[in-house]
Amino acid sequence: QVQLQESGPGLVKPSQTLSLTCTVSGASLNNIGHYWTWIRQHPGKGLEWIGYVYYTGTTYYNPSLKSRLTMSVDTSKNQFSLSLSSVTAADTAVYYCARDRYLGPYYYYMDVWGKGTTVTVSS
Amino acid sequence: SFELTQDPPASVALGQTVTITCQGDSLRTFYASWFQQKPGQAPVVVIYGRNKRPSGIPDRFSGSSSGNTASLTITGAQAEDGADYYCSSRDSSGDHLLIGGGTKLTVL
Repeated sequence: QVQLQESGPGLVKPSQTLSLTCTVSGASLNNIGHYWTWIRQHPGKGLEWIGYVYYTGTTYYNPSLKSRLTMSVDTSKNQFSLSLSSVTAADTAVYYCARDRYLGPYYYYMDVWGKGTTVTVSS
Repeated sequence: SFELTQDPPASVALGQTVTITCQGDSLRTFYASWFQQKPGQAPVVVIYGRNKRPSGIPDRFSGSSSGNTASLTITGAQAEDGADYYCSSRDSSGDHLLIGGGTKLTVL
């Protein structure tokens, strides 16, 4: 059974860098066709795609966050990570990690999600 | 295309049928998937690809697609189906993920 678990500080000060890690169990990050994804949800709002990282290190980011984002994978630890710099209160959200699977041409879906971790940006 | 547009909040009487839609240019190319999210919980996929249901999802959930519109239908809605529903797909380039704004479903 594949499980994802987010970890990181629940409170970050404005202008600092938010860093989160997702630990994957039951699957290898090296699997072809699996895109390791971050999504967030502002309080009372909808889901927002942040970006994803492939096992090769290739990344794709939400254009609105790209200038502040870095994602990476550590296949030795079976973890992938998110860093978001220069945070403000607008980055306060629940952050989810998920696996986006490629099943065939034009055919992807996020089949496994972490439970989410709440990050508050406040001084 | 950069957006997926979902219906406003909807309601359905217990045991009746409801359809939620999602529109976007990318849906002409990429399959949509549908997620159910209840308060305080992570989203759970209910439909993906060409009307596929993950193990454990009741068969009252079904999906369809036509042109730029994907639809999620719940046939015989149950009280536990009250939730927020989101659609998602890749954008037309295939490089980015799009997520709709969500539809809140109330079962009366």
